Amino acid sequence: DTTVKQNPRYKLARVGKPVNLICSQTMNHDTMYWYQKKPNQAPKLLLFYYDKILNREADTFEKFQSSRPNNSFCSLYIGSAGLEYSAMYLCASSRVDRGQDTQYFGPGTRLLVL
Amino acid sequence: GDQVEQSPSALSLHEGTDSALRCNFTTTMRSVQWFRQNSRGSLISLFYLASGTKENGRLKSAFDSKERRYSTLHIRDAQLEDSGTYFCAADSGYNKLTFGKGTVLLVSP
Repeated sequence: DTTVKQNPRYKLARVGKPVNLICSQTMNHDTMYWYQKKPNQAPKLLLFYYDKILNREADTFEKFQSSRPNNSFCSLYIGSAGLEYSAMYLCASSRVDRGQDTQYFGPGTRLLVL
Repeated sequence: GDQVEQSPSALSLHEGTDSALRCNFTTTMRSVQWFRQNSRGSLISLFYLASGTKENGRLKSAFDSKERRYSTLHIRDAQLEDSGTYFCAADSGYNKLTFGKGTVLLVSP
């Protein structure tokens, strides 16, 4: 099963409110990623977990948090949503330690902040 | 500047014709992946290449094994269902994908 699951598929949030997005995979992948994609733009890496180590991109460091309570789950947390957070959020996973670098993507969560 | 330059940004094809998309990299890349975005916005993986070529049906992808600075996606005998947005994404060696800006492909009868 090469499925990456994301919940919810659609999320409506109010400005200033927190948002929590969930991703899961059962492929025993050691690395999980979160990307943000806006219309007519390339997907942009926000952060990734390699095992239990979180790596956040420098330009999004303060805007997003994440947790990985176990190998299968990874969340993306926005403490106070702004209009600019409206986007598709894509989760992906891969098995890096065995050189299987193919990233498998979930269906995405479409976030709309009003 | 952008590490991944994808071209063309838009492409119109007639059914049955062939064409190619290209991604140039400003630095040496370890691997490349090609995706198609479906109507719901999800990314469907087409190919992963660390070198050489791969083929799947009417699609074929190549990654320059020598200098590792470009990749191509060839579409043979284009069909209506091939329409969509295609992305390349490259890994410079830190397992972080950098995406191109995409190619919007429209196949018409």
